[in-house]
Amino acid sequence: EVQLLESGGDLVRPGESLRLSCAASGFTFSSYAMNWVRQAPGKGLEWVSTISGSGGSTYYADSVKGRFTISRDNSKNTLYLQMNSLRDEDTAVYYCAKDPVENSRTWYWVYWGQGTLVTVSS
Amino acid sequence: QSALTQPASVSGSPGQSITISCTGTSSDVGGYNYVSWYQQHPGKAPKLMIYDVTNRPSGVSTRFSGSKSGNTASLTISGLQAEDEADYYCSSYTSSSTVVFGGGTKLTVL
Repeated sequence: EVQLLESGGDLVRPGESLRLSCAASGFTFSSYAMNWVRQAPGKGLEWVSTISGSGGSTYYADSVKGRFTISRDNSKNTLYLQMNSLRDEDTAVYYCAKDPVENSRTWYWVYWGQGTLVTVSS
Repeated sequence: QSALTQPASVSGSPGQSITISCTGTSSDVGGYNYVSWYQQHPGKAPKLMIYDVTNRPSGVSTRFSGSKSGNTASLTISGLQAEDEADYYCSSYTSSSTVVFGGGTKLTVL
């Protein structure tokens, strides 16, 4: 059974940094691209970032490019999102999501974690 | 990248059919057959309902169907049921190798 468990969400001040983690189990982690998608309170979904199975390719939304870094540790079956220079508008529930096709990148996601809340406020 | 355009809300009675539209541009919806639809109930993670415009994942009811014409994709739900009441989001691959979502549509079952 595929399981994705996010952690690391917290209350931080503008300008500070935070690292989110997503622990994965139930599949061969290194064979699948992984993603972060966020949702501000009462708002819609926003794709944030994608990383290939090997970690060699990464993609970012313009809203986070240069501030956020996606990475993965395939030996620990864990996905990360390093968030620097946080802004009020980064306040959201952050979900990790698994690509459904092995060794390929898709544009839809069947498996999602339960999300972790990041609040940026002074 | 601008969000795809969805109606803020739609409603229908049990047993009826409703359609939710999702309008983008030739750089996203119109340029690729990579439109997906998600259902989200309050406090829950999104659930994939349609992918690649018309495909249903295993376990999703055949009452859900997708289509596309030009820069506009659509999700149709037939035989509305109370449990269909939720928020629905479309998404699309873009020419920038990114993914863009719609603003979301709240479906009310009357």
